[in-house]
Amino acid sequence: EIVLTQSPATLSLSPGERATLSCRASQSISSYLAWYQQKPGQAPRLLIYDASTRATGIPARFSGSGSGTDFTLTVSSLEPEDFAVYYCQQRSTWPRLTFGGGTKVEIK
Amino acid sequence: EVQLVQSGAELKKPGESLKISCKGSGYSFITSWIGWVRQMPGKGLEWMGVIYPPDSDVRYSPSFQGQVTISADKSISTAYLQWTSLKASDTAMFYCASGPHLDYWGQGTLVTVSS
Repeated sequence: EIVLTQSPATLSLSPGERATLSCRASQSISSYLAWYQQKPGQAPRLLIYDASTRATGIPARFSGSGSGTDFTLTVSSLEPEDFAVYYCQQRSTWPRLTFGGGTKVEIK
Repeated sequence: EVQLVQSGAELKKPGESLKISCKGSGYSFITSWIGWVRQMPGKGLEWMGVIYPPDSDVRYSPSFQGQVTISADKSISTAYLQWTSLKASDTAMFYCASGPHLDYWGQGTLVTVSS
């Protein structure tokens, strides 16, 4: 099973700052990586798929990069509504998917 | 508008059975895989398995094989997740999700198992 390791577990930042989240796969997953955002009491929302493609309606401040085993989600300038938990997910072994453990972006 | 609408919260006792549902609308349900995701209290997301409604092809994550049953009724665009004998450790939020990149998610069904 492919294991996804997200770091850091928690990121404490202020609005307007840049957030950089990491996701590392235990083996190569090409570009089959997605990022989701989850706010308290809500279902996850797709942000990025295929490592770098923004989903419909996602603001341009969200960007994804990487391939193989190392991936990054960047939020260029944090808005108040961006403070949430972010998960990466791989689909290279579809239909067996796996999620990372999550990174919480909290207000400093 | 694409929607996945899940059945309501459940409070059950250990040993009881349960079947929760996920009804799709606004997209081609019968040509899309539908997956189930568990989120235990305060924890992350876990992929449970997926079903292809046109032929009910089901694939389970190894962690959930034999623990739950995923099914679907394509005639009413609905997928199901069921347990035959619930345990306290089954207490969690369960989400259904669909779309080529899990673009669409249900609102979640909270299952609480307590004596």
